[in-house]
Amino acid sequence: KDQVFQPSTVASSEGAVVEIFCNHSVSNAYNFFWYLHFPGCAPRLLVKGSKPSQQGRYNMTYERFSSSLLILQVREADAAVYYCACGGNQGGKLIFGQGTELSVKP
Amino acid sequence: GAVVSQHPSWVICKSGTSVKIECRSLDFQATTMFWYRQFPKQSLMLMATSNEGSKATYEQGVEKDKFLINHASLTLSTLTVTSAHPEDSSFYICSANGQANKPQHFGDGTRLSIL
Repeated sequence: KDQVFQPSTVASSEGAVVEIFCNHSVSNAYNFFWYLHFPGCAPRLLVKGSKPSQQGRYNMTYERFSSSLLILQVREADAAVYYCACGGNQGGKLIFGQGTELSVKP
Repeated sequence: GAVVSQHPSWVICKSGTSVKIECRSLDFQATTMFWYRQFPKQSLMLMATSNEGSKATYEQGVEKDKFLINHASLTLSTLTVTSAHPEDSSFYICSANGQANKPQHFGDGTRLSIL
């Protein structure tokens, strides 16, 4: 069964580097997409691809079936739900993980 | 950047009524749009893939006669929840992309409450 797995919660402290891990069992999916979601708002794409990449404070590691999102210098305002999604040549269809709720202590 | 507009953002209605939700791509042509549902404390679950000019593709377990999808133009897809019941209360969110394997851009979602 095509599934994406990520931890339900991650806790951190302000200023630290946070890592959120994701792995999948999706056939023919070779791209990862990391989204930030505040409830009631549109999920926002942070970083994506089929290789390691960086966008500002967001780094993405890449292996064929796993990826990690690293948030540098995490802030209290980064507390939200982070979704990992996988996609491939499937007409744009993405399969989402359950989301990881990040909490940040001051 | 690309913008996807979803309307309404919030709707409350009585059990048995039908509710239509619109998803528009404002600055690009979306050949494909996706409809998701999110129950409290759960992930975004794909309901169906909407393709312009053809029938939608529904995920397993999603009733196509209950959730009617129309994608009549390259900038608009609609989801109609027919004969809605309290168990249909959820957060419905759409996304769109112009090309396959490109990032999806999400709307702000519609919170549907059925009394």
